[in-house]
Amino acid sequence: SQTIHQWPATLVQPVGSPLSLECTVEGTSNPNLYWYRQAAGRGLQLLFYSVGIGQISSEVPQNLSASRPQDRQFILSSKKLLLSDSGFYLCAWMYGSSGNTIYFGEGSWLTVV
Amino acid sequence: AQSVTQLDSHVSVSEGTPVLLRCNYSSSYSPSLFWYVQHPNKGLQLLLKYTSAATLVKGINGFEAEFKKSETSFHLTKPSAHMSDAAEYFCVVIPIFTYGGSQGNLIFGKGTKLSVKP
Repeated sequence: SQTIHQWPATLVQPVGSPLSLECTVEGTSNPNLYWYRQAAGRGLQLLFYSVGIGQISSEVPQNLSASRPQDRQFILSSKKLLLSDSGFYLCAWMYGSSGNTIYFGEGSWLTVV
Repeated sequence: AQSVTQLDSHVSVSEGTPVLLRCNYSSSYSPSLFWYVQHPNKGLQLLLKYTSAATLVKGINGFEAEFKKSETSFHLTKPSAHMSDAAEYFCVVIPIFTYGGSQGNLIFGKGTKLSVKP
C-alpha cells in the first residue's frame, strides 16, 4: 500500500532563516506531488505541484520554492523566511489510476518568530 | 469558472443527532467530488468520493453523501453524530478535464468545522 511521510511535524524558525520541509511517498511510482498551505481560518492554498522529476509548477508568487530531486521526494524550501510564511503545510500525492483521489501527509506546523 | 461553496463555516450538533454538512459546486463539466476530514493538527483523510458511478456514496465512519446534479450539491450526512466526529470537513472538486491529474487544479471549499456536544 502507498504511504506518505512528511517531516518535521513542527518547526519554529526565526525570521530570515532558511526552511526545508521534506515529503516522501512510498509504494507508488511517478506520482503527482503537491505542497499546500493552510493558514488559520482559511482553506487550502496550492503552492506547488510536480508531475515528474525536476518538473515544478508554482501557483502563487512567494519566497518559497520546491524541488523534486527524486521520483518520490518533494522538498519545500525557503532561503529567508518571513512572518507571513507561518502556517500548516501539507504534502500530498495523486496517481491517475486511483481515480484521482489525493492523499495527504500529516502536515508540518511552521511558526516563524 | 469552477468553484466549491461550503454553506456553513461552523455546525454544532448534539451527540446522537444527525449531521448535515452542505456543499454546492459550480462546474461546466461533470466533476469528481470528494469529502475530506481533518482532525486538529492532522493531515486530511479521505471520507468518500463520487466519480460518476452511484449518486449515493458511502464513506468511512458512517458518513455518506448524495450527488444531486440538478441541485449541484454534494451534501455530507451521518445519521448519528459521535464525539469523535468533531473535526473540520472539506468538500473538494476535481474538474473532469483534469482527470489525468496532470495539474494541481483541485478546488477546495473553505471548510466546515463540526462541533459535537455531549
